[in-house]
Amino acid sequence: AQSVTQPDIHITVSEGASLELRCNYSYGATPYLFWYVQSPGQGLQLLLKYFSGDTLVQGIKGFEAEFKRSQSSFNLRKPSVHWSDAAEYFCAVVHPEGNTDKLIFGTGTRLQVFP
Amino acid sequence: EPEVTQTPSHQVTQMGQEVILRCVPISNHLYFYWYRQILGQKVEFLVSFYNNEISEKSEIFDDQFSVERPDGSNFTLKIRSTKLEDSAMYFCASSGYSTYEQYFGPGTRLTVT
Repeated sequence: AQSVTQPDIHITVSEGASLELRCNYSYGATPYLFWYVQSPGQGLQLLLKYFSGDTLVQGIKGFEAEFKRSQSSFNLRKPSVHWSDAAEYFCAVVHPEGNTDKLIFGTGTRLQVFP
Repeated sequence: EPEVTQTPSHQVTQMGQEVILRCVPISNHLYFYWYRQILGQKVEFLVSFYNNEISEKSEIFDDQFSVERPDGSNFTLKIRSTKLEDSAMYFCASSGYSTYEQYFGPGTRLTVT
């Protein structure tokens, strides 16, 4: 079945440490790929997106993500986490061949940052 | 920076009552969406709307649900007869030329008692 998987439900890191949040997809073709962040009481904010081309994508707030076709992955990274990065992070995809623009979301990863 | 707004932020209603959730999309956007997130579950697509028509809807979006763009700025989701299982956070989103870049509102938390 077509799906988006975020294997880590909850991650805790120390402020200043590096971060990698995992996302895997299961589709026949490479979907369009997105990362969203949801801070408490806020809506979903788009961090970055990948449609094609350079597999390393830069986003807002110092985040980047790397598309790896061989691993069907689109992992989110940040070299040095700030306390304000504590939030829920969602990977999402749009099926590229289904004549659709609906986002399909993973279950999310909650990031906790310790001082 | 333009943003999507939603009202109310929290709505409590009794089972069987009708509710209308309101959204003001970004002003020059053409594509509009509703998603929902039941507590502890994934964000799920409900419906997309373009040119005053539903362009796609999910299995969740049954006859109890309807959407409308009553004027040039608002986009509403109506649930005719709410059920306990409709309790969720409802997100409105809009997009412009690139329909793959959707901007979300802060959500309306609907609690059905």
